[in-house]
Amino acid sequence: SAVISQKPSRDICQRGTSLTIQCQVDSQVTMMFWYRQQPGQSLTLIATANQGSEATYESGFVIDKFPISRPNLTFSTLTVSNMSPEDSSIYLCSVAVTGGETQYFGPGTRLLVL
Amino acid sequence: DQQVKQNSPSLSVQEGRISILNCDYTNSMFDYFLWYKKYPAEGPTFLISISSIKDKNEDGRFTVFLNKSAKHLSLHIVPSQPGDSAVYFCAASAIRGAQKLVFGQGTRLTINP
Repeated sequence: SAVISQKPSRDICQRGTSLTIQCQVDSQVTMMFWYRQQPGQSLTLIATANQGSEATYESGFVIDKFPISRPNLTFSTLTVSNMSPEDSSIYLCSVAVTGGETQYFGPGTRLLVL
Repeated sequence: DQQVKQNSPSLSVQEGRISILNCDYTNSMFDYFLWYKKYPAEGPTFLISISSIKDKNEDGRFTVFLNKSAKHLSLHIVPSQPGDSAVYFCAASAIRGAQKLVFGQGTRLTINP
C-alpha cells in the first residue's frame, strides 16, 4: 500500500482566484491521478499526472483550467485556476503502486468557492 | 453516459445480517472491478477487487460476485457491523492495474444496532 497526504485539507476561496493542491506519497509510485467529487456526485477522473511530461486529461478537463505538475515519483500538484462556485468539490489524489492492481487515495481537499 | 451505475443511493441493514450492494456496468471493455468504502472527510479505502476472469472473490467478511453476461456485480458483507456504515463505491477499469477508474454514484450503507 501507500500513504498519501494532501495539502490543504480544506479551503474557502473567492471566485476568480487559483488554488494549488499538493499530493505527497511515502514511496515511489508509477501512476498518480487526480479526481474530483462534486457535491452528491461520484468520483470523476480529471487527469493522469505523468512524471517529467505533460499530464493526460480526460474529456471535459483542460490544462488551462487544471494545470498539473509531477516533478518526481512521489509528488504532484493540481491547480484549480480562475475558480467559480461550480469548482466547489472534493479533489482527490490517488496512486497506483508498481505491480499493484488497485489505486490508493489521499484524504482529499475540500474546496468551497464563494 | 453513466457507464457504472449503483441504482440504490442508500441501504439500511440490521447488525449481524447480510448487506448486499449492487452495481451495473454498460461498457463490455471493463476488465477489472473494485469496491471502495468512504467515510466522511476521508478518501476512499480499497476493499476488494475482482478480475473479469473470475466470478467470485472473497476476503474475510467481504465477497464480490461478478456476472459478466448480465454486466452486474455485487458486494456481500456478512455479518454486517456498525463500523461498516459508510458510502460504498463500485469502480471499473478497462485496463488491468486499476488505471483510469470509472466510479458509480455510491450507496450509503447504514448498519442499525
